[in-house]
Order: sequence, then C-alpha cells, then structure tokens
Amino acid sequence: RKEVEQDPGPFNVPEGATVAFNCTYSNSASQSFFWYRQDCRKEPKLLMSVYSSGNEDGRFTAQLNRASQYISLLIRDSKLSDSATYLCVVPNSGGYQKVTFGTGTKLQVIP
Amino acid sequence: DVKVTQSSRYLVKRTGEKVFLECVQDMDHENMFWYRQDPGLGLRLIYFSYDVKMKEKGDIPEGYSVSREKKERFSLILESASTNQTSMYLCASSPRDRGDEKLFFGSGTQLSVL
Repeated sequence: RKEVEQDPGPFNVPEGATVAFNCTYSNSASQSFFWYRQDCRKEPKLLMSVYSSGNEDGRFTAQLNRASQYISLLIRDSKLSDSATYLCVVPNSGGYQKVTFGTGTKLQVIP
Repeated sequence: DVKVTQSSRYLVKRTGEKVFLECVQDMDHENMFWYRQDPGLGLRLIYFSYDVKMKEKGDIPEGYSVSREKKERFSLILESASTNQTSMYLCASSPRDRGDEKLFFGSGTQLSVL
C-alpha cells in the first residue's frame, strides 16, 4: 500500500454542490494530518489540519477515520473559487517533521 | 505577512551546468525544505534542514546538494544539471515546534534543463 493515496479526479461538480474527497494512508502511527490547496501554477497552501476526530471551518469539514486509515475533505455549497487541486499530507515514519504528500485530487466547479 | 521567497520563477539551463536555486524566509523558522513537483508524482522531498549548517537527505537527494549557512537561507544546488531534473522546485519552511507541521511554501521555480 502506498503511504498516501488520493483519487486524482478530476471531480467536476456544479456550483452549490457538496463534494467529498478521501485520502488513504498506510502509517497507522500517524497522529496529525493536513489538507493543502494548490491553485494552478501556484504553491500549496495549508487549508486545514486534522488532529483527532475532525475539524470544521465554514463550508469545509475534514474527518479522520483511524480504523480504516483514511481522512476526508467535505466541501459544501461549492464555489467557482474552490476549483483547485487538494493535497492530502500525512506525517511519515521517516522522522521528525517529515511528511508525505498525496498526488492530489483536482476539483473543477462548473457554473 | 510571512514570506518564503525563491530567487527565480522560471529558469532555463543547459545540460551539465551547475545550477543554484535560492530560498529565503523571513519567519525565523528553524526547518527548511526543498521539494520537486512533477505531474502524477506529487511533491517529493529532496533535502531538509533543521538548523544552520545541518542537512538531511529526503527521498530523492541524488544529483542535488544543499547549503544552509544562515538561518533564513537554504540553497539547492544541481551539481551538473540533467534533463530529468526539469521540474517545479518548491522551497518551504516550518517552525521547530513538534506538532506544528504547517509548511509555508515559496511560489516555486520552474526549471527547464535543455
């Protein structure tokens, strides 16, 4: 199993829709997880941290399922500006502050 | 506003040239990172530094070296550029505190090796 796996998409959704992405990870010792957002030709930026049972920030909800070893990102009421690639980030077993990035899930919100 | 600055947005070099990519951060962060990003492969860690003059190999260090002479500056060196090093290079920094793995990225350098 890869350290981090994401469905590359693209997910094409209409404005106002709810969309969810999953990210599976292999290192069961991981304690904290992150979602980053990357716009086309831009750098990744931290969107949300997921430390325990989950995290909610406005239209965005991140959940952690330790038993099945995946995290999810739910976006409600999608906006055109949500179009981006969403990267899942998991601490790896390589040492202090070492993380592994997923390859990302592309979201395209359509008018 | 916190900032990680990479010296060049686009760079074109020839095979065999020595290439320097510079990165400066103004957040007084202890940790600095160099990643490369390729389509379908995601971000891969090249080198990592957790203090001045300290460095640690990442997942793909071959063909690269780094220098950290000052806390705010982390340089990536391609000793002899090759075409397979054509990529987007991203520098990042983070604070030392355990539990906060938030990475702040520079805007990237798109390097083309011809």
